[in-house]
Amino acid sequence: RKEVEQDPGPFNVPEGATVAFNCTYSNSASQSFFWYRQDCRKEPKLLMSVYSSGNEDGRFTAQLNRASQYISLLIRDSKLSDSATYLCVVNNSEYSSASKIIFGSGTRLSIRP
Amino acid sequence: SAVISQKPSRDICQRGTSLTIQCQVDSQVTMMFWYRQQPGQSLTLIATANQGSEATYESGFVIDKFPISRPNLTFSTLTVSNMSPEDSSIYLCSAERRVGGTDTQYFGPGTRLTVL
Repeated sequence: RKEVEQDPGPFNVPEGATVAFNCTYSNSASQSFFWYRQDCRKEPKLLMSVYSSGNEDGRFTAQLNRASQYISLLIRDSKLSDSATYLCVVNNSEYSSASKIIFGSGTRLSIRP
Repeated sequence: SAVISQKPSRDICQRGTSLTIQCQVDSQVTMMFWYRQQPGQSLTLIATANQGSEATYESGFVIDKFPISRPNLTFSTLTVSNMSPEDSSIYLCSAERRVGGTDTQYFGPGTRLTVL
């Protein structure tokens, strides 16, 4: 079983739709969680951190369920510019250590006009 | 966030040669890392670039193939040595900053390497 699993997609939805991605992780001791966005032929960019209480940034809502070990990302009123690959990232280290940061394989999202 | 630059942005190299990639961060950071991302795949950590000491390599990556330098807190280089077509990939450096109490990574724009 992969340490971080995501549905690879692609998700193809119309503009204005609401779309949700889930990500599951295997290590119950995981410390911190993130969603990154990666556009084609570009570097990953931090979209948002995911906090235990859930957090929202504009049209984007991230939630964490520690009991079930999954993270979700909800995008409301999707825009054409939301088309990208969304990477779920889990940090298993209590201390700063990149070797404990695990990237999911990404979920591709395509918004159609 | 951190502003990170890399050069070259892309290169096409001959088998058996070496390429050095440079990574510059706009301010001092404790942690810098090098990743590889092959087409259609997620990121794989190559090594942690340690300032003042040898880099820490992940399983499957060795210093002879991927020597790394970190002369100060804002700069690092990765060399891909004795290249083969299998080394064709995007190489990304990242820097870590503490944001809101959480260590968060920021990435450079990447170097797209093609080995013929």
